[in-house]
Amino acid sequence: EVQLVQSGAEVQKPGESLKISCKASGYSFSGFWLGWVRQMPGKGLEWMGIIYPGDSGTRYSPSFQGQVTISADKSINTAYLQWSRLKASDTAMYFCVRHSSSGWCDSWGQGTLVTVSS
Amino acid sequence: EIFLTQSPATLSVSPGESATLSCRASQSISANLAWYQQKPGQAPRLLIYGASARATGIPARFSGSVSGTEFTLTISSLQSEDFAIYYCQQYDKWPIFTFGPGTKVDIK
Repeated sequence: EVQLVQSGAEVQKPGESLKISCKASGYSFSGFWLGWVRQMPGKGLEWMGIIYPGDSGTRYSPSFQGQVTISADKSINTAYLQWSRLKASDTAMYFCVRHSSSGWCDSWGQGTLVTVSS
Repeated sequence: EIFLTQSPATLSVSPGESATLSCRASQSISANLAWYQQKPGQAPRLLIYGASARATGIPARFSGSVSGTEFTLTISSLQSEDFAIYYCQQYDKWPIFTFGPGTKVDIK
């Protein structure tokens, strides 16, 4: 069974850095693209970017390019989403998703709530 | 960049009735569209991929279709557990994907 287990909720101050994680199990981690999706409070889903753990190749939505960094460590089957300087507007739920070979999101993590407040 | 519009924004339906949700793409995406259901406090789950193929474990009352750039999700005989928000997603322009803004299906 494919499982994506994300790290716990975070409360951070503006300007701080943060790295959240998504640990995958039940399939070949290196062989599937993993993505991140943002959901701001009361809003819809926004696709942020993806990584191919096999070669660490990444692609970002134009809206998120330069705002976040996606990485992966295939030795521990874990993908990451990180910020170097958080803003209040980064407050949201973040989901990691496994993309099928064609592109749809066939598995979702439980979500990580990130709250940025002074 | 491909944009998706969903209509209506909110759909009020009585249990047992059918619901028809629309997703329109700004350009041709072939059949490269998926539908997801999200309930409050939960992660979304995949319902439909390839415009019309049901994901594993999805009941037959959920069906998808496409005509040109207009995609439709039909839920026949709505059950209480079907009241949720539904999103479409295009994956034609790999590896850049986009979601639609969502349609909320609530109880009439």
